[in-house]
Amino acid sequence: DAGVIQSPRHEVTEMGQEVTLRCKPISGHNSLFWYRQTMMRGLELLIYFNNNVPIDDSGMPEDRFSAKMPNASFSTLKIQPSEPRDSAVYFCASSLGQVETQYFGPGTRLLVL
Amino acid sequence: ELKVEQNPLFLSMQEGKNYTIYCNYSTTSDRLYWYRQDPGKSLESLFVLLSNGAVKQEGRLMASLDTKARLSTLHITAAVHDLSATYFCAVDSGGGSNYKLTFGKGTLLTVNP
Repeated sequence: DAGVIQSPRHEVTEMGQEVTLRCKPISGHNSLFWYRQTMMRGLELLIYFNNNVPIDDSGMPEDRFSAKMPNASFSTLKIQPSEPRDSAVYFCASSLGQVETQYFGPGTRLLVL
Repeated sequence: ELKVEQNPLFLSMQEGKNYTIYCNYSTTSDRLYWYRQDPGKSLESLFVLLSNGAVKQEGRLMASLDTKARLSTLHITAAVHDLSATYFCAVDSGGGSNYKLTFGKGTLLTVNP
């Protein structure tokens, strides 16, 4: 299996621009998680889906962030408009169930100038 | 709000030595996870501990969970350089069918020859 796939791997953008991060979970996994990692705040769970349905988005920092999972093999995390404080590594992870081992993707390094 | 504290945050040890990383958490939970992260890389699942008294071992690493003490330990036996990485514990605070992982700040382990 190819593992969790994320794109792009690196993104540099200017403040105010829209950013879309993409994730393809491992085939057969029914739970998908979006995390953000920064030096200051560590690893934070932003949102997670179970069977394509958003279950908990309480970690989404503000209305500028949105996430979708239109089908079992694809999810997006969108930031509009982006701000410099959004600079971080964004990880997507998937698992067979909500409490099972999570498999992390390689991450997207986002830099907002 | 769940707090997850790891200590130490930085650990420098010599090859062949033993050491323990501690993970304390502030609310009731019986689901705890250990991950490893190499510099610039993604997270790799090490252990999933799902009940009080759970103990799991893989190679030179052994993890345990004491839900009454709200404490998990990651014990390193006869460390080798390849174990150098950042180790995270994560606790599920959701309970039941709800699910939310809170990560500790991580322990940066450096094993010196």
